[in-house]
Amino acid sequence: DSGVTQTPKHLITATGQRVTLRCSPRSGDLSVYWYQQSLDQGLQFLIQYYNGEERAKGNILERFSAQQFPDLHSELNLSSLELGDSALYFCASSVGSSTDEQYFGPGTRLTVT
Amino acid sequence: AQTVTQSQPEMSVQEAETVTLSCTYDTSESDYYLFWYKQPPSRQMILVIRQEAYKQQNATENRFSVNFQKAAKSFSLKISDSQLGDAAMYFCAIRESGAGSYQLTFGKGTKLSVIP
Repeated sequence: DSGVTQTPKHLITATGQRVTLRCSPRSGDLSVYWYQQSLDQGLQFLIQYYNGEERAKGNILERFSAQQFPDLHSELNLSSLELGDSALYFCASSVGSSTDEQYFGPGTRLTVT
Repeated sequence: AQTVTQSQPEMSVQEAETVTLSCTYDTSESDYYLFWYKQPPSRQMILVIRQEAYKQQNATENRFSVNFQKAAKSFSLKISDSQLGDAAMYFCAIRESGAGSYQLTFGKGTKLSVIP
């Protein structure tokens, strides 16, 4: 158990819908990262927050957004869902320095039908 | 931009034998970290081993060791005395240490099977 929690574990929804994925980082970690793992794109970085502020953006679609709240949990919002958004979404957390590890949550499996 | 290449989509090894997984990378930074992550069927991402680019000594964690060749930008993982529980996807990743973000860039992965 990494100490990072993600809810829900599984999510099945229809095209065009909107969903919210939630992540609680390890106690003491200020940085949250979101990654997407899909069959065609592999594992890719989406976005990072540090202590409530966006720090970096990767290959995140405009239909996707995220935020980190004062209690440091983070939410990833996916809207106008398409079949190709079906993937495993990971959240990872770290203290936030350049030397520390990222600890991954168990992931949320999103299926868009 | 940093890139990671794993040229072996699948590999197999006999139980108790040794196997080496290959990884090459590209980065313009001089300060970075390299990682191997394991993803078993449970899908959990588990850190196996990490290497700081400024360290010449190869990292070792129990049965897992790396061969880090900085000039060649190569970072292979050696698993000794392979066990059935080692069967998983293995991902090589790089993280640059520049100011700001420390996101990981992953390779496509190598699926390792362990034959009893």
